Amino acid sequence: GQNIDQPTEMTATEGAIVQINCTYQTSGFNGLFWYQQHAGEAPTFLSYNVLDGLEEKGRFSSFLSRSKGYSYLLLKELQMKDSASYLCAPSRHYGGATNKLIFGTGTLLAVQP
Amino acid sequence: EAGVAQSPRYKIIEKRQSVAFWCNPISGHATLYWYQQILGQGPKLLIQFQNNGVVDDSQLPKDRFSAERLKGVDSTLKIQPAKLEDSAVYLCASSGGLAGAKFFGPGTRLTVL
Repeated sequence: GQNIDQPTEMTATEGAIVQINCTYQTSGFNGLFWYQQHAGEAPTFLSYNVLDGLEEKGRFSSFLSRSKGYSYLLLKELQMKDSASYLCAPSRHYGGATNKLIFGTGTLLAVQP
Repeated sequence: EAGVAQSPRYKIIEKRQSVAFWCNPISGHATLYWYQQILGQGPKLLIQFQNNGVVDDSQLPKDRFSAERLKGVDSTLKIQPAKLEDSAVYLCASSGGLAGAKFFGPGTRLTVL
């Protein structure tokens, strides 16, 4: 089965740094995705981690520890447009060339002036 | 590169009516997903296709929902008959690699009255 846990809501100030944590339990784990979803819009891909460690991409970084079932998304120099829901999504391998992506409930981030 | 296309964008029906959604994935993407997203929740996988075969439909309410992907390209998702609790955004996504879904369509917002 799968179990994904991330905070429901977070608030941060413009220009600051925020870390959104995600813990998961999944069999056949083969990587973890982070998506950003603005209200009323479809999720957009932010990052994919398959190996342990930190992946940096501009203002956004994502970290993975496979042994601990733990990931975080780090957002630096926050901007008002970063106000959105951030979805943690472990990927599970089926067999062959197929993978299943399961989403958490998401963390709603509010960036304040 | 054209993205994932979905239609209609919005649909309002009465309970017990039928409705169908259409998805055209990114050209060449073998994997196609249908997700249901209820307000305030993360997307829930309904069905996953690999080419024109079903990989996972374990969370599809098969008494009322059906989906097909003829010729391994476009896909349709049907609800018959609809219930009030089916009110949600239906997201289609496609992936061309071993990693999970990366590209989402704009979604169809369904309201069942």
